[in-house]
Amino acid sequence: GAVVSQHPSRVICKSGTSVKIECRSLDFQATTMFWYRQFPKKSLMLMATSNEGSKATYEQGVEKDKFLINHASLTLSTLTVTSAHPEDSSFYICSARGDRSYGYTFGSGTRLTVV
Amino acid sequence: GESVGLHLPTLSVQEGDNSIINCAYSNSASDYFIWYKQESGKGPQFIIDIRSNMDKRQGQRVTVLLNKTVKHLSLQIAATQPGDSAVYFCAETEGGSYIPTFGRGTSLIVHP
Repeated sequence: GAVVSQHPSRVICKSGTSVKIECRSLDFQATTMFWYRQFPKKSLMLMATSNEGSKATYEQGVEKDKFLINHASLTLSTLTVTSAHPEDSSFYICSARGDRSYGYTFGSGTRLTVV
Repeated sequence: GESVGLHLPTLSVQEGDNSIINCAYSNSASDYFIWYKQESGKGPQFIIDIRSNMDKRQGQRVTVLLNKTVKHLSLQIAATQPGDSAVYFCAETEGGSYIPTFGRGTSLIVHP
């Protein structure tokens, strides 16, 4: 089955620094990747949708300069949280979709803690 | 906007019982539905899906039922096991958008 690898699984960073999270599709080409944010005991909140080779489409209220998304290849998308602050602490999850199915495969998530 | 919602935020069952998790959706144009299981600290894991041209689909120990008349979706887990304890999300998509809308989630707690 389709596998999506997300790295790192946990990261602690100092306030003001930037953190990059990687999302890779291991055995399929991901034409579209999605980035979600999840607060404790809450549902997934879509942050942005990215298509390979084009700019990401951000959901309303998500700062594109704060959450930089790059989808440079069909197997890799990155989310960079720039100038992180404690309120950015959250669980970030990516998902990927190939072009031959409706299905979405999720990464294992990244727990970001900004101190 | 339209959204997917869940009736019960928490469901507690005894090991061996059957579990039923419900989901109401409001977008009548949705044509593809997915159930995900999310364990603590992990990403959602695909369980089963169903397209709108079907009303029932079975997997291993799980069954998804779709009632388009009342816009209701359910996930049935047979012989629930402690390992089934997790949060379950339903998600819907509308043809062509490919962007799933997630429901609120139901926490399933299985007591040994």
